[in-house]
Formats: sequence, C-alpha cells, structure tokens
Amino acid sequence: DIVLTQSPGTLSLSPGERATLSCRASQSVSSTFLAWYQQKPGQAPRLLIYGASSRATGVPDRFSGGGSGPDFTLTISRLEPEDVAVYYCQQYGYSPRTFGQGTKVEIK
Amino acid sequence: QVQLVQSGAEVKKPGASVKVSCKASGNTFTNYYVHWVRQAPGQGLEWMGIINPSGDSTSYRHTFQGRLTLTRDTSTSTVYMDLSSLKSEDTAVYYCAGGAAGSTGSGSYTAFDIWGQGTMVTVSS
Repeated sequence: DIVLTQSPGTLSLSPGERATLSCRASQSVSSTFLAWYQQKPGQAPRLLIYGASSRATGVPDRFSGGGSGPDFTLTISRLEPEDVAVYYCQQYGYSPRTFGQGTKVEIK
Repeated sequence: QVQLVQSGAEVKKPGASVKVSCKASGNTFTNYYVHWVRQAPGQGLEWMGIINPSGDSTSYRHTFQGRLTLTRDTSTSTVYMDLSSLKSEDTAVYYCAGGAAGSTGSGSYTAFDIWGQGTMVTVSS
C-alpha cells in the first residue's frame, strides 16, 4: 500500500497568515491522482483539490495545491477562521486508495 | 448536483452484521463510482472498497476481504455496505463517497467529490 505522510501534525497560525501543509508519498504517485480534503468537526470530508492543483467547484482561491511525486503541498494563502479543520491528502491512482494521517489547522 | 443521504446510526453486538444504505438524488449518479470510507473515533480516514456504476464490479481493501459486501440497486440509486463478523474495532463513522467516471482522473480512479453525511456504527456487547 502507498503510505502518505503529512506534516506538520498540527499548525497553529494567526488569521491572515499563510499555511503550508505537506504530503509525502512512500512511492511514486502521479500528480493526476492526488487530492486534498478538508474535514471540519462533526462533518464529512469535502474535496478541495484534485489532480494535485485543480480546485474543486466552489473552493475559494486562497486554497492552492502544488508539487509532484512524491512531495505535494496544500497552501492556504490567507488563513480565515472558517479554515479551522483537519486536512487530508489522498492518492487515488492505486488500489487501495490511501489517505494521509491528517494535519490539524488551528487559529492562534 | 448529486447528493448522498445515508441511513441512521446503528448499535450492534460483536459477531453481528450491519447494513448501511446510501441513497443518491440526481440523474447523473448513473456515472458515479461509489466508495466506502470509515473513520474510527478521533482517527483518520480508511478506504474500504468501491463499486462501479452498474453494480457488477467491486473491489475491497484486503483487510476487509470476506467480511465486506457492496451492492447497488440502480433502480433506486441506492448503494449498500454490508459488514459482517463485527468487532469492537469496527466502531466508526462510515461514509459513502462518490466520483464521476473520469471527471477528476481516469475511469474509476477519480477523487471523491460527493460525500454522504456519515453513519455511526457502534459495536458493543
């Protein structure tokens, strides 16, 4: 199975600051099949980014994805209070599909 | 826009089985692959398996082989997840999630752009 390792585990920033989340794959993953999800407390995950850098419908443009195998990043350019959540990367190019362990984003 | 609505919370005893439903609204659901993902309390996301749009092909994570069955009723746009021989470690929120064929990738290898609200399954004696 492909293991995705996310860092840091927790990110604590002030509103307006830039957040950079990392995701490293244990073996080659095409950027075509890399996604990022946001999960707020008590809610289902929501697709933010697919194909490593394409924003899903309705996602604000302060969210951007980048990178290429094995290292990918999710950037929140200006952190808003509503961005408090756990963020997961996922590879969907191989079975089993796998998720990273998540990065928790907090507001200072 | 397709939406997924799941059945309600379940409490089961060890060794029992549980069947969770996931009903879709919207006529484009016929193009969707449906996955099941679970999340134990305070933990991350674990992919369980996938069923294709016509319901005649499935693939399961090896750790669930023999215990997990996914089925699909295309006439009612409903997908079912049946997990047997339940253990306390199966206590989790179970989500159905879907990706339209080829929309965000290739064939069945698409991101999960729609999610159900989740169903809590508690396994306890």
